[in-house]
Amino acid sequence: AQTVTQSQPEMSVQEAETVTLSCTYDTSESDYYLFWYKQPPSRQMILVIRQEAYKQQNATENRFSVNFQKAAKSFSLKISDSQLGDAAMYFCAYRSAVGNQFYFGTGTSLTVIP
Amino acid sequence: KAGVTQTPRYLIKTRGQQVTLSCSPISGHRSVSWYQQTPGQGLQFLFEYFSETQRNKGNFPGRFSGRQFSNSRSEMNVSTLELGDSALYLCASRIGFQETQYFGPGTRLLVL
Repeated sequence: AQTVTQSQPEMSVQEAETVTLSCTYDTSESDYYLFWYKQPPSRQMILVIRQEAYKQQNATENRFSVNFQKAAKSFSLKISDSQLGDAAMYFCAYRSAVGNQFYFGTGTSLTVIP
Repeated sequence: KAGVTQTPRYLIKTRGQQVTLSCSPISGHRSVSWYQQTPGQGLQFLFEYFSETQRNKGNFPGRFSGRQFSNSRSEMNVSTLELGDSALYLCASRIGFQETQYFGPGTRLLVL
């Protein structure tokens, strides 16, 4: 089974600074999708960004961007100009293109310091 | 479009009881997945339903079951509750297997 590893249980960043959250995954598949989800204290899980494995270009959504390294099986999330509202638990997720099941990492709790 | 809704939002039960949780997907979404979220284990996949059929199943005991109705609404049932079943249960829906999942707010279950 695929596994997703987030090695940073907690991270903190100063407001307006940049932070990078790490994610690695293990798979033998060549076609798959990767996601970052954000879960604020209110508990509603929100999609932050999505990356298709067949695309070499890194996905970007406003202040959020990813560094996708397929060979290294790494998928990090960069948050630029951090805002207080970015404080949340961030989950990295893998979706198989074959079975279509989602696999989640254990999450990284991000604190934004004013 | 309304998002994924889950009812109830909070629930307190005692050991040995059973519980049924409900999830209404986003309109037009035919796939519903269920996850158990605990501080120690993160999100663990329970099962996924598509067009009233269970398509995928996680590694949970048979006490956990689910079903999906013709309107895509889904229910999850846990029988003979144990203390370890205390968790946030999240439901997620998507249009089809190739699409992104969208999550509901969750049902927080406390087993005493």
